[in-house]
Amino acid sequence: GAVVSQHPSWVICKSGTSVKIECRSLDFQATTMFWYRQFPKQSLMLMATSNEGSKATYEQGVEKDKFLINHASLTLSTLTVTSAHPEDSSFYICSARDTGGLMETQYFGPGTRLLVL
Amino acid sequence: DAKTTQPPSMDCAEGRAANLPCNHSTISGNEYVYWYRQIHSQGPQYIIHGLKNNETNEMASLIITEDRKSSTLILPHATLRDTAVYYCIARPNFGNEKLTFGTGTRLTIIP
Repeated sequence: GAVVSQHPSWVICKSGTSVKIECRSLDFQATTMFWYRQFPKQSLMLMATSNEGSKATYEQGVEKDKFLINHASLTLSTLTVTSAHPEDSSFYICSARDTGGLMETQYFGPGTRLLVL
Repeated sequence: DAKTTQPPSMDCAEGRAANLPCNHSTISGNEYVYWYRQIHSQGPQYIIHGLKNNETNEMASLIITEDRKSSTLILPHATLRDTAVYYCIARPNFGNEKLTFGTGTRLTIIP
């Protein structure tokens, strides 16, 4: 299957700092990428849909000014957690939609674990 | 997206077939059934998807009932590495449709 990478795989930061997470589709182009968040023992919750060349669409309750998303190319989307606080500590996962074939499938990155102290 | 219902947990002996059920009684005609799994501390992994015909790939088989109200994911020879949370999702295949994850089935393979 198609490969999606994330960087970094884990990050520890101080409260108040900003953290950028990268999501790349390695062997296909993705006009649409998705950002999820997962708290311990819970399911994945969609945060936002990222479209190349346009503004992201955020789910209800997700602050767009806190979670900045940039999808500048067909293979890269970034999520920046601004002024991170301990409650933002979570597992952040991106996915990319492969529209290259007849069937559209979303492929997920390995996730980024964020710990805010 | 149609709501799906899965048992919260299942056990299966190593080497045996693991059969994971999913109920999607309100599925609409343009919605496919997708299966993903998430091994602990990793991103979800795509397994298989189908519309109405049974599907098979190198990972698993997907059996969809004729009325499309339920399906079963079959892992033919389960190994310890198949221990994961398995998610069944119904969604249209095209368009900018997001995946909505439920609580899934936690499958534990017993040695």
